[in-house]
Amino acid sequence: GENVEQHPSTLSVQEGDSAVIKCTYSDSASNYFPWYKQELGKGPQLIIDIRSNVGEKKDQRIAVTLNKTAKHFSLHITETQPEDSAVYFCAASYSGGGADGLTFGKGTHLIIQP
Amino acid sequence: GAVVSQHPSRVICKSGTSVKIECRSLDFQATTMFWYRQFPKQSLMLMATSNEGSKATYEQGVEKDKFLINHASLTLSTLTVTSAHPEDSSFYICSARQALYNSPLHFGNGTRLTVT
Repeated sequence: GENVEQHPSTLSVQEGDSAVIKCTYSDSASNYFPWYKQELGKGPQLIIDIRSNVGEKKDQRIAVTLNKTAKHFSLHITETQPEDSAVYFCAASYSGGGADGLTFGKGTHLIIQP
Repeated sequence: GAVVSQHPSRVICKSGTSVKIECRSLDFQATTMFWYRQFPKQSLMLMATSNEGSKATYEQGVEKDKFLINHASLTLSTLTVTSAHPEDSSFYICSARQALYNSPLHFGNGTRLTVT
């Protein structure tokens, strides 16, 4: 089955700086890669996703890049703000239109220092 | 759009009792829902896939007789933890997607189960 590795486990950056979280996956058939933000005591919230037919996607301060050959994808957050502090999870799955659960990375605790 | 509601948010029960957790898709129909379990400071582990009108598919190592899943309608799936034990204490999270190709997964806010 799919295995997703996520690094780093903890990331501390100064407010206003950029943060980058990286993930690798093992199953070359995976074609859907979402990123979730989880705040304490809450469920994960989808913040951005990318499919294997594109290499990059951007939404305001958040961007995701995908390298299918190397089987890795990254989350980039620019101009970080205190409210960006949370745990971020990457995930991978094969999305063929049917029922499929996500395989998650272990998460990155992002800390924004004021 | 795409709101998933989970209830209750917290529950405390005694060992040996059963607890039911509900997961509802509020503004869309979900033929498939997923149940995850999350231990403190750890990732989400898929427990089972809930299919409307048919039996759930459980991941390896998850006891289907202990974690009963019912997906009776296109907007409701329930997870019942039977004969709960302290080791069942955890954060349980459901997710659902619209019955459309390539629609993303949306998660509920989770249920914190504590078994005393």
